Amino acid sequence: NAGVTQTPKFQVLKTGQSMTLQCAQDMNHEYMSWYRQDPGMGLRLIHYSVGAGITDQGEVPNGYNVSRSTTEDFPLRLLSAAPSQTSVYFCASKGLSFTTNEKLFFGSGTQLSVL
Amino acid sequence: EDKVVQSPLSLVVHEGDTVTLNCSYEVTNFRSLLWYKQEKKAPTFLFMLTSSGIEKKSGRLSSILDKKELSSILNITATQTGDSAIYLCASSGSARQLTFGSGTQLTVLP
Repeated sequence: NAGVTQTPKFQVLKTGQSMTLQCAQDMNHEYMSWYRQDPGMGLRLIHYSVGAGITDQGEVPNGYNVSRSTTEDFPLRLLSAAPSQTSVYFCASKGLSFTTNEKLFFGSGTQLSVL
Repeated sequence: EDKVVQSPLSLVVHEGDTVTLNCSYEVTNFRSLLWYKQEKKAPTFLFMLTSSGIEKKSGRLSSILDKKELSSILNITATQTGDSAIYLCASSGSARQLTFGSGTQLTVLP
């Protein structure tokens, strides 16, 4: 059972480069999200989606773009990488039905460094 | 804006000690409060507390939700070195988003 799969696990970029972090889940979850984690700041929500074709901004959306063309996939795009985007990124998903609890399932994370 | 605050930020104890981690929340239309353990990478789920389930226990770990004080505690008894981790608290409200606290770094020394 794969759960939430994130790639790559590590990435180094130069300032100004663009890249896409991939996220896929096989649990048929409606809700998918991207968080970044910086030391001492917990997890901060970047973008989220409640279904295919629907996305919305979280707490720290600037510099990131997302799309949701299928239920399974939710890629995160860095448009022009900046050193401030050096962080660990987590993709997470959950169901949204009335009887489903709020438990988020996390991917293994991507360590991103922007030089 | 939803807000979750955890304390202490870090804690160092010795094996066998009992620890209490704190979490307070300000969430519009509160739905649930969750605890996660994060060791090396992805957070792993521990407990979920709601208005209809304010106390959970699993082995040496237990958690209680205080709806009046808008807070929760996570207790770990007879700590082991394997309990060393960051413990994250998160709360869900009407927006269905999980808002996370900054975490408590627990270090258990042998």
